[in-house]
Amino acid sequence: DTAVSQTPKYLVTQMGNDKSIKCEQNLGHDTMYWYKQDSKKFLKIMFSYNNKELIINETVPNRFSPKSPDKAHLNLHINSLELGDSAVYFCASSQGSEPTYGYTFGSGTRLTVV
Amino acid sequence: AQSVTQPDIHITVSEGASLELRCNYSYGATPYLFWYVQSPGQGLQLLLKYFSGDTLVQGIKGFEAEFKRSQSSFNLRKPSVHWSDAAEYFCAVGATGANNLFFGTGTRLTVIP
Repeated sequence: DTAVSQTPKYLVTQMGNDKSIKCEQNLGHDTMYWYKQDSKKFLKIMFSYNNKELIINETVPNRFSPKSPDKAHLNLHINSLELGDSAVYFCASSQGSEPTYGYTFGSGTRLTVV
Repeated sequence: AQSVTQPDIHITVSEGASLELRCNYSYGATPYLFWYVQSPGQGLQLLLKYFSGDTLVQGIKGFEAEFKRSQSSFNLRKPSVHWSDAAEYFCAVGATGANNLFFGTGTRLTVIP
């Protein structure tokens, strides 16, 4: 049983399209995150939700919109995709409202915009 | 401002040799420190973590790390590297009151026969 699962694993799409990435965790964690990993492997926080409430919204284009229907799910919708959005997107979860126990990561979604 | 520095972008070691990956952090509060490993095409897996207490922590896969407050360091070590340890290693820092972890830029480990 996968603890944090993301779908799809790979996503190839054309510029200008709209796409979504889904994330689900079955760990009972309260907080979920989206990180973007660029081509140099740098991991940057994008969003964080605690019990469906947005608590982190970093400087991310407003083409990116997270949605958390319940505390086990955090989806990422991206409008008008651009070449620079190509990256690996990781979902993660943690206990409580602070990541003091560390994260559990999903296996990532590799997004390629052509 | 918080930051994590991993000075070595890429390290190559021979199988069976010892390994030390460096991590330095800058954080105003008492830090929580983590090491993660990322195998190709995979997500990040937690190797070990430090909150308080004994400054030498043991993790999975035979890894250990030592917290040195005076040097603001949390270096990862393994006495004998296996070919399967080839991967990207990330150091991360968090603290009470922080909403997320901050990651270093990673160190890529290559293991040669």
